[in-house]
Amino acid sequence: DAGVTQSPTHLIKTRGQQVTLRCSPKSGHDTVSWYQQALGQGPQFIFQYYEEEERQRGNFPDRFSGHQFPNYSSELNVNALLLGDSALYLCASSPPGRTSGGYEQYFGPGTRLTVT
Amino acid sequence: DAKTTQPPSMDCAEGRAANLPCNHSTISGNEYVYWYRQIHSQGPQYIIHGLKNNETNEMASLIITEDRKSSTLILPHATLRDTAVYYCIVLLSSGRRALTFGSGTRLQVQP
Repeated sequence: DAGVTQSPTHLIKTRGQQVTLRCSPKSGHDTVSWYQQALGQGPQFIFQYYEEEERQRGNFPDRFSGHQFPNYSSELNVNALLLGDSALYLCASSPPGRTSGGYEQYFGPGTRLTVT
Repeated sequence: DAKTTQPPSMDCAEGRAANLPCNHSTISGNEYVYWYRQIHSQGPQYIIHGLKNNETNEMASLIITEDRKSSTLILPHATLRDTAVYYCIVLLSSGRRALTFGSGTRLQVQP
């Protein structure tokens, strides 16, 4: 059973360009969350998707957008890239929500984005 | 979600138990304690979670104090591969929740 997969592994873009990152969740999981991790810091929550809609959003500008497909895979799009967008972008998947009993997330290896 | 406080770094000898503390004095009754770790340049890895009882799985044990204001993650026989940043996160028990990562504890296992 494959875990969470992300593509590409590494990416180099120029300031002002647009980028799309992809994530396939673990089998049986319907919820995908995206996190940004700058060098030396903990991951920061960007947004979460389930049932093909954005359900929660962290403190990130509208340049960050996403999509979830019927097969539960997801894309993260970043427009008008800034140097400060250079980071490790992590995707996490989780099973259908429960009303109680805890709720763990499973992370992919991440996509390392460098903006020059 | 309640705020957590962890020491920035700890050392542990290989083969010995690693005890990582976390303070969460403002935790509410329906919030779980979660532990994740992140090995260098990899995605975070879920370790364990608990509400009020002690928990154990194949990776670790979680000890939560009776007043739930602090907890300890125990790696019973630390190996070099356990060198990582360990994050303690407090989270409401219901629904699909976003994780709020703090600075974590950098555990260095020494040979």
